Amino acid sequence: DTAVSQTPKYLVTQMGNDKSIKCEQNLGHDTMYWYKQDSKKFLKIMFSYNNKELIINETVPNRFSPKSPDKAHLNLHINSLELGDSAVYFCASSHTPGLRTYEQYFGPGTRLTVT
Amino acid sequence: LAKTTQPISMDSYEGQEVNITCSHNNIATNDYITWYQQFPSQGPRFIIQGYKTKVTNEVASLFIPADRKSSTLSLPRVSLSDTAVYYCLVGDIQAGTALIFGKGTTLSVSS
Repeated sequence: DTAVSQTPKYLVTQMGNDKSIKCEQNLGHDTMYWYKQDSKKFLKIMFSYNNKELIINETVPNRFSPKSPDKAHLNLHINSLELGDSAVYFCASSHTPGLRTYEQYFGPGTRLTVT
Repeated sequence: LAKTTQPISMDSYEGQEVNITCSHNNIATNDYITWYQQFPSQGPRFIIQGYKTKVTNEVASLFIPADRKSSTLSLPRVSLSDTAVYYCLVGDIQAGTALIFGKGTTLSVSS
């Protein structure tokens, strides 16, 4: 199926650990994003990559490091996890903004719980 | 960045038309208006996007007055499955500022 997929769907880990979330899209898009949705359901953009180049880097702790090996993949690595990192992380993709209707396709989310 | 204001929640019954209004008083010339829908435990899903006047697709209509300081998402004949959170986003697509999700409107549809 064409879609944006994320792994894992659930991630439970302890404070101080390092973890990664993977994202893949097979929609042929060249722009990918990471969002964080906290317990209050507020959805906030973290990073955006266009053709493997970082174009948006919001105020995010440098413990978070995105990596885009190719246009179809955008992974998120988190070092030294903290309790406040507990949230649902969504990956999304789109065509290059401005070329056509700007529609983002979201993945199913990864629920990260830090204990 | 244009800030958006939406009602926190709305209630409706099946078969009714639902209109959700979003205020964006400081919308800029290059800003577009986009609406997303999010079901529990799922990622947001694009509904509709517009710049001015009216846009309609198979799911919804988007009404934008001439001054563009507000917009209304119209859902015709809602069903129980339309119960979700609806987000209004306003921003410059090319500048990458169309990525700010507000708190959204929780729509509850009852039978």
